[in-house]
Amino acid sequence: EAQVTQNPRYLITVTGKKLTVTCSQNMNHEYMSWYRQDPGLGLRQIYYSMNVEVTDKGDVPEGYKVSRKEKRNFPLILESPSPNQTSLYFCASSWTGGRTDTQYFGPGTRLTVL
Amino acid sequence: GDSVTQMEGPVTLSEEAFLTINCTYTATGYPSLFWYVQYPGEGLQLLLKATKADDKGSNKGFEATYRKETTSFHLEKGSVQVSDSAVYFCALSDGGSARQLTFGSGTQLTVLP
Repeated sequence: EAQVTQNPRYLITVTGKKLTVTCSQNMNHEYMSWYRQDPGLGLRQIYYSMNVEVTDKGDVPEGYKVSRKEKRNFPLILESPSPNQTSLYFCASSWTGGRTDTQYFGPGTRLTVL
Repeated sequence: GDSVTQMEGPVTLSEEAFLTINCTYTATGYPSLFWYVQYPGEGLQLLLKATKADDKGSNKGFEATYRKETTSFHLEKGSVQVSDSAVYFCALSDGGSARQLTFGSGTQLTVLP
């Protein structure tokens, strides 16, 4: 089954404790990205990747890091989480990220930073 | 920059009622337009899309027409069901350097039996 998976689905942590949210897709997509969803704001892009070893900032990259060492995986790293990073996070992938591409979303990771 | 504006929610309807969720956009160039749906506890999934002016996207009884002259992509369904209860997001993609989707703020729909 074609899918995007994320882990963990739920995470409660404390300020400053490094964490990683994993994302994996099995569709051989080149393009992957991370979004955060906050009430009333829709989804905003954090980082994106056009292909292996090619990543760049989206609209709200502060406090986040990513890597793309393999085509299928695109982990999101919070080196020193803060309460304003409490949010619902989605990983997405598509063939090339082109204008007409359908993006496929993971199930989401709900993060709470205390 | 690009932006998407959709009608404020929440929207509550009775089963079999007619649904319209308004969506307007601002973009340079010729974006593709999308409606994504998020069921409770799940990720977003594509509901329908249109990639050029006057295209109509349709799926599961939902329809939306890409209107360039009014920069709109309103979502409609003739007879909603309880199972349509979800959050609906209008989005656009202009294929820019970040190749991101620009989302509206979402509209919560609740359908009562």
